[in-house]
Amino acid sequence: AQSVTQLDSHVSVSEGTPVLLRCNYSSSYSPSLFWYVQHPNKGLQLLLKYTSAATLVKGINGFEAEFKKSETSFHLTKPSAHMSDAAEYFCVVTSFSNDYKLSFGAGTTVTVRA
Amino acid sequence: DAGVIQSPRHEVTEMGQEVTLRCKPISGHNSLFWYRQTMMRGLELLIYFNNNVPIDDSGMPEDRFSAKMPNASFSTLKIQPSEPRDSAVYFCASSPDPPYNEQFFGPGTRLTVL
Repeated sequence: AQSVTQLDSHVSVSEGTPVLLRCNYSSSYSPSLFWYVQHPNKGLQLLLKYTSAATLVKGINGFEAEFKKSETSFHLTKPSAHMSDAAEYFCVVTSFSNDYKLSFGAGTTVTVRA
Repeated sequence: DAGVIQSPRHEVTEMGQEVTLRCKPISGHNSLFWYRQTMMRGLELLIYFNNNVPIDDSGMPEDRFSAKMPNASFSTLKIQPSEPRDSAVYFCASSPDPPYNEQFFGPGTRLTVL
């Protein structure tokens, strides 16, 4: 079985300040983990992925995430928020044992204040 | 590559009408997924194809929904007859083998059933 918990349904930050989106996962086998972003009225875009290589993963637009097996976490960070980062973010887990099924978190909505 | 292509982008129809949503996956991707996104239920996997064969349709809500993939470059999702509760955004995604790699999402079709 696998699942994802996004610990914050909504995060509000000021432009230029750090962003932290928290994600905890559960997986019976070695997981693959992803962060997707969805801007209003758009499809989901892959930000970054972890697939058992380096535990610190760098993605697009200055985002990065760190895989911590001991904490079963995969938190997403960005040092300095930009107005264009306002969107919904999904943490996603899958594993070989689950073949193809992605388990999505409920999503975190990010608001960026000018 | 143009990415996953979906049409139409918006569809408004009346209850009881047939609706057909279309998807062109990324060339070379062997796995194709149909999802539905609503505020209440989030993202739900409807059906998964691998090499044009339906592997798992357990997410299809009921017999009114059907999906086909006649070739590697085209898939359809049909609702007949449509009902107001089918109103949602429908996403198509594709993935290279193995299917537990990241999925690439199309822009979605926003369906409104009056």
